Amino acid sequence: QVQLVESGGGLVKPGGSLRLSCAASGFTFSDYYMSWIRQAPGKGLEWVSYISSSSSYTNYADSVKGRFTISRDNAKNSLYLQMNSLRAEDTAVYYCARARRGYSYGAFDYWGQGTLVTVSS
Amino acid sequence: DIQMTQSPSTLSASVGDRVTITCRASQSISSWLAWYQQKPGKAPKLLIYKASSLESGVPSRFSGSGSGTEFTLTISSLQPDDFATYYCQQCTPRLTFGGGTKVEIK
Repeated sequence: QVQLVESGGGLVKPGGSLRLSCAASGFTFSDYYMSWIRQAPGKGLEWVSYISSSSSYTNYADSVKGRFTISRDNAKNSLYLQMNSLRAEDTAVYYCARARRGYSYGAFDYWGQGTLVTVSS
Repeated sequence: DIQMTQSPSTLSASVGDRVTITCRASQSISSWLAWYQQKPGKAPKLLIYKASSLESGVPSRFSGSGSGTEFTLTISSLQPDDFATYYCQQCTPRLTFGGGTKVEIK
C-alpha cells in the first residue's frame, strides 16, 4: 500500500536550517509529482513547494521562495525539503503529499503523517 | 495568485442534515478543484477532484459541483464521522487552498 513517511522535523532557532525527508513506498515514485504542504498550529493548509517527477520543474510559494529548496531522489524513493533562514512563521506541521496521476498541481491523494517544525529561540 | 474563499467558516449541523459548503475562486479555474476532509491531528483526505469526481473509497453522500469560479461540496445526509474541517484547493500551477469550513455538531 502507498506510504509516505516524513522525518527531520524539530526545534530550530530563527535563522537556522533544517532538512525534511519523505520516504515513499508502495508506488512507482518516479511517476508522480510530489509536494510539501504545511499547516501552522490551529491554521489552514498552505502549499509550500512541488517538484516534477523527473525533478525538471519546481515551484515555490512566495513565502518560502529563496529560502527553501525541494529535491527528490527517485533511486531512493525519497523527497526532501531543505529549509534555510527559518523564521517563526515557518512553524508548522509539514506534510509531503502525492499529486494524483494526471494532476501535477494536486489533487493530493496520499499524504504523510506530517512532521512538526518549530522555529523558536 | 488565485484566492480561494470558502463559506461559511463554521457550520453547525445535525446528523442527517444536508450540508453545502461553497468555494469561490478569484478567477476562473475551469474544473480544476479538489475538496479535502481533515480531522484533528490527522492529514487531510482527498474527497473530490476535478470539481465533481468522487475519489475511490469516498462515500457517495459526498458530491461536488461547479466550474469557473463557484464550487460546492454537498454532504447529502451528514453522518457522525463527517464532523471535520473541509478545504477546497485549486489545482493550477500556483495552487492555493481555501481557508477551511469546520462542520460541528449542532
